[in-house]
Amino acid sequence: DTGVSQDPRHKITKRGQNVTFRCDPISEHNRLYWYRQTLGQGPEFLTYFQNEAQLEKSRLLSDRFSAERPKGSFSTLEIQRTEQGDSAMYLCASSPRSPRTGIEKLFFGSGTQLSVL
Amino acid sequence: AQRVTQPEKLLSVFKGAPVELKCNYSYSGSPELFWYVQYSRQRLQLLLRHISRESIKGFTADLNKGETSFHLKKPFAQEEDSAMYYCALTGGNEKLTFGTGTRLTIIP
Repeated sequence: DTGVSQDPRHKITKRGQNVTFRCDPISEHNRLYWYRQTLGQGPEFLTYFQNEAQLEKSRLLSDRFSAERPKGSFSTLEIQRTEQGDSAMYLCASSPRSPRTGIEKLFFGSGTQLSVL
Repeated sequence: AQRVTQPEKLLSVFKGAPVELKCNYSYSGSPELFWYVQYSRQRLQLLLRHISRESIKGFTADLNKGETSFHLKKPFAQEEDSAMYYCALTGGNEKLTFGTGTRLTIIP
């Protein structure tokens, strides 16, 4: 499968624990995005990378959240001191290079379902 | 602020009947509009974008700036069209704002 890969598929944790998710984008894509989706809602933008640079962050991304893309390839999203409200599907997407600014076609992964008990 | 409204959470249509999924948006500038679709047990994927003015799987959507709408239409529904559909908007930056989605069920 040459699509966007996310690991793990499911994560159950206790409140207060730290969790880390990984996303491997499509190899030639330089743009990478994290979204969060809760039940009954559409995906909500969290953050965006172009290569290794984190260029945009949503106000949804509190201090407990941190995302990295150290070599411009895979990305990690860490949540510290998890709360029950963090329970959601965390989606990663990537997009190819483009001469224009703004969104091109997003290719989504299958997501990581986080449950905080 | 960017906002997308999809007024119907659920929509059921008979096979062969026309389909229209409603999408209204709120944005002060010139938006770019998209429809994304998620079939059962598959990933979210792009269906169409307004700037391409294309028809995918028989679906079309026209941007109506006067009514701030981007409704998705298909003249004859097929069973394989059953899925979750999301309308989305961007204001030219990298942030895509999604609606809450409409679950379309095609009745055989």
